[in-house]
Amino acid sequence: QKEVEQNSGPLSVPEGAIASLNCTYSDRGSQSFFWYRQYSGKSPELIMSIYSNGDKEDGRFTAQLNKASQYVSLLIRDSQPSDSATYLCAVNDSNYQLIWGAGTKLIIKP
Amino acid sequence: EPEVTQTPSHQVTQMGQEVILRCVPISNHLYFYWYRQILGQKVEFLVSFYNNEISEKSEIFDDQFSVERPDGSNFTLKIRSTKLEDSAMYFCASSEETGGVEPQHFGDGTRLSIL
Repeated sequence: QKEVEQNSGPLSVPEGAIASLNCTYSDRGSQSFFWYRQYSGKSPELIMSIYSNGDKEDGRFTAQLNKASQYVSLLIRDSQPSDSATYLCAVNDSNYQLIWGAGTKLIIKP
Repeated sequence: EPEVTQTPSHQVTQMGQEVILRCVPISNHLYFYWYRQILGQKVEFLVSFYNNEISEKSEIFDDQFSVERPDGSNFTLKIRSTKLEDSAMYFCASSEETGGVEPQHFGDGTRLSIL
């Protein structure tokens, strides 16, 4: 069964520090990788997409992909209390079906 | 920025009644999705829709569920005979191409409460 695994957390990070969120996936044929942020009671909001190995930066966010290790991560620099949310990792499978992780709850402590 | 819109934001229905949840996807998107999220649990895929037909569906999407694109803009999810366990947030999403390649964009959701 194709899976996307995330540590459920909560991950507690002091304000201003770097938050590191990790995700592993089982399907080696996966080509597209997405990070979504979900505030409590709200819908998932796309943060980053990444398609090739290496780093992709967008403001305070950096997505990192390592296809050999089947690993994708999200770094949040200069963490703010407003970054407190659940972060969902989503990965396509070789049939282009999106497989979702259960999410990591991130808490930024002022 | 274009967005997916969902109505109503909150629907309260008696058990056994039919409910229709409505979505207007982003106008140039071709793929449409419904997801469910029970309070405190993970986002669960229900169904994907392309070219006026279902392309994928999950085990959750049983005979009591149906989807329709009645006109050029709306995309609906119907639950025929609601059960208590159908209480959840229902999210509609759309993407330009299949969501495994292009990202899916979500609406704000409909909170469905079954009494």
